[in-house]
Amino acid sequence: ELKVEQNPLFLSMQEGKNYTIYCNYSTTSDRLYWYRQDPGKSLESLFVLLSNGAVKQEGRLMASLDTKARLSTLHITAAVHDLSATYFCAVVDYGGATNKLIFGTGTLLAVQP
Amino acid sequence: NAGVTQTPKFRILKIGQSMTLQCTQDMNHNYMYWYRQDPGMGLKLIYYSVGAGITDKGEVPNGYNVSRSTTEDFPLRLELAAPSQTSVYFCASSWDGGYTFGSGTRLTVV
Repeated sequence: ELKVEQNPLFLSMQEGKNYTIYCNYSTTSDRLYWYRQDPGKSLESLFVLLSNGAVKQEGRLMASLDTKARLSTLHITAAVHDLSATYFCAVVDYGGATNKLIFGTGTLLAVQP
Repeated sequence: NAGVTQTPKFRILKIGQSMTLQCTQDMNHNYMYWYRQDPGMGLKLIYYSVGAGITDKGEVPNGYNVSRSTTEDFPLRLELAAPSQTSVYFCASSWDGGYTFGSGTRLTVV
């Protein structure tokens, strides 16, 4: 059974600082998603990483995937208050009859002015 | 193009009551999913479907039932509501690697 772990669970940062959120998963997969969720809202898709070594960037966020290490990172550069949200990684589980998206526990990011 | 539509958005149930959470998608996606999200937690897969007439259990199926009579609709049924089912429920559909989530149903069981 695929397990997905994120750390840290909570991250308080100052504006302008850099930090990285880590996403580890327990079994082989080559497809990983990053989502953002604002309080009381649904999930907003940020990145889809489809292969080993994939790197994607959008604004101050950059995501990467290492399928051999079963690790993805979400790097935040020069954080701003608008990035405050909960960030989830989700990994496709290919076991069973169909592909299923399994989520990590999330990282609550609070960017302080 | 509405995407994935969930109704209702909010509901309060008494213990032991039953209800159906509705989910409809207009993208002709074969795959559909139900997740629950407890406060401060990630999403847990309840049930999923690979097409009309085919459903299977996810990580946390106990206390729920689903059906899939059409490609568009994937309702989630709670037969005997319990306080442990207080959560936010998300429906999603997918095709070829892209996942679309509904806006969620916030359910409170008292």
